[in-house]
Amino acid sequence: DIQMTQSPSTLSASVGDRVTITCRASQNINDWLAWYQQKPGKAPDLLIFKASNVQHGVPPRFSGGGSGTEFTLTISSLQPDDFATYYCQHYSSYLWTFGQGTRVEIK
Amino acid sequence: EAQLLESGGGLVQPGGSLRLSCAASAFTFSSYAMSWVRQAPGKGLEWLSTISGGSRSIFYADSVRGRFTISRDNSKNTLFLQMNSLRADDTAVYYCAKVWAASGVFDSWGQGTLVTVSP
Repeated sequence: DIQMTQSPSTLSASVGDRVTITCRASQNINDWLAWYQQKPGKAPDLLIFKASNVQHGVPPRFSGGGSGTEFTLTISSLQPDDFATYYCQHYSSYLWTFGQGTRVEIK
Repeated sequence: EAQLLESGGGLVQPGGSLRLSCAASAFTFSSYAMSWVRQAPGKGLEWLSTISGGSRSIFYADSVRGRFTISRDNSKNTLFLQMNSLRADDTAVYYCAKVWAASGVFDSWGQGTLVTVSP
């Protein structure tokens, strides 16, 4: 099975900072990679699909990149609403795998 | 925008059973695969099971295969998860999610229902 590893596990940042979260796959997954944002007590929200496509309604400060085994989620200028936990997710052959999550907290 | 509403969670003893439901609205339910995803307290997301729109194809994570059964009633726009032989480590918030098959993602989620397995 393909394993998804996110780094860092926790990220401390300030409003206005540019932040990048990395997700690594244990083998080549082409661009079958999504990113979700989850706030405490809420369901996840889809941010990015197919590695770099921003979901409708997601602010343009969010972007995704990468292919193969290494992927990134970048927030160009962190806003107060962005403090949350972020998960990467891979899909292949009717199996879905999530990364362990990255918590973005206020510095 | 798709709406999903889970129900059926609660407290159950180890070894017991529970059936979760997910009522769907605002989209053509029978046209989409649906999934269950759970999140143990303070932990990450875990995909559990997916069922195709017509129920022909069903997939399970190893952690629940043989204990959990996914099903759907397209006439009632409802998704189900029958959970048997429950264990303490099944304690989690259970989410239903709509699958966007072309991109392999979950594009709509319910608010979740809490299942607690405890004596």
